[in-house]
Amino acid sequence: AQRVTQPEKLLSVFKGAPVELKCNYSYSGSPELFWYVQYSRQRLQLLLRHISRESIKGFTADLNKGETSFHLKKPFAQEEDSAMYYCALSPMNTGFQKLVFGTGTRLLVSP
Amino acid sequence: DTEVTQTPKHLVMGMTNKKSLKCEQHMGHRAMYWYKQKAKKPPELMFVYSYEKLSINESVPSRFSPECPNSSLLNLHLHALQPEDSALYLCASSQGQQGVNSPLHFGNGTRLTVT
Repeated sequence: AQRVTQPEKLLSVFKGAPVELKCNYSYSGSPELFWYVQYSRQRLQLLLRHISRESIKGFTADLNKGETSFHLKKPFAQEEDSAMYYCALSPMNTGFQKLVFGTGTRLLVSP
Repeated sequence: DTEVTQTPKHLVMGMTNKKSLKCEQHMGHRAMYWYKQKAKKPPELMFVYSYEKLSINESVPSRFSPECPNSSLLNLHLHALQPEDSALYLCASSQGQQGVNSPLHFGNGTRLTVT
């Protein structure tokens, strides 16, 4: 069965502090992993995906197949990073996506 | 146009009403999705259309009836809903090319209240 686990409902940090949002998954094959973000009053949008291996808004995430994790990291949090973050997985190469979302972590960055 | 547009933004309906939610995209995407999101919960997949054909129905009750009239439009027809169906209904689209796992583009959603 596919499952995505985000253990923290809320992560509160001060501006400039490092941030790590945890994500673990279970899937029998090789899924694609994503982080989606929802800022206040905005639509849900893609932040990054593991196959791109890029940094978006200073965030990075490395897929660790051994630990089945895809943690999201940023070395220095900014107030504008405050948002709801969802980790999600989808089977690879299906054309359309059958995204399974984690329960989400709300990141609150205080000044 | 790089957006997914959903109408209406808000909808209040009684349990005996029939209403429809609409979704439109002009990005040439061939996969379109309906998700349901309850308060403080993640989105849950309801339906997937691929090339205008229903590809996934996640055991959704028949009081929800999807329709994909063409590659740009997706509707969700609602009939005899229950108060527990009150939620944010999200539409999304993706390229939908076989062998390509393109990311989803979400609309702002329709906030549905069933009274």
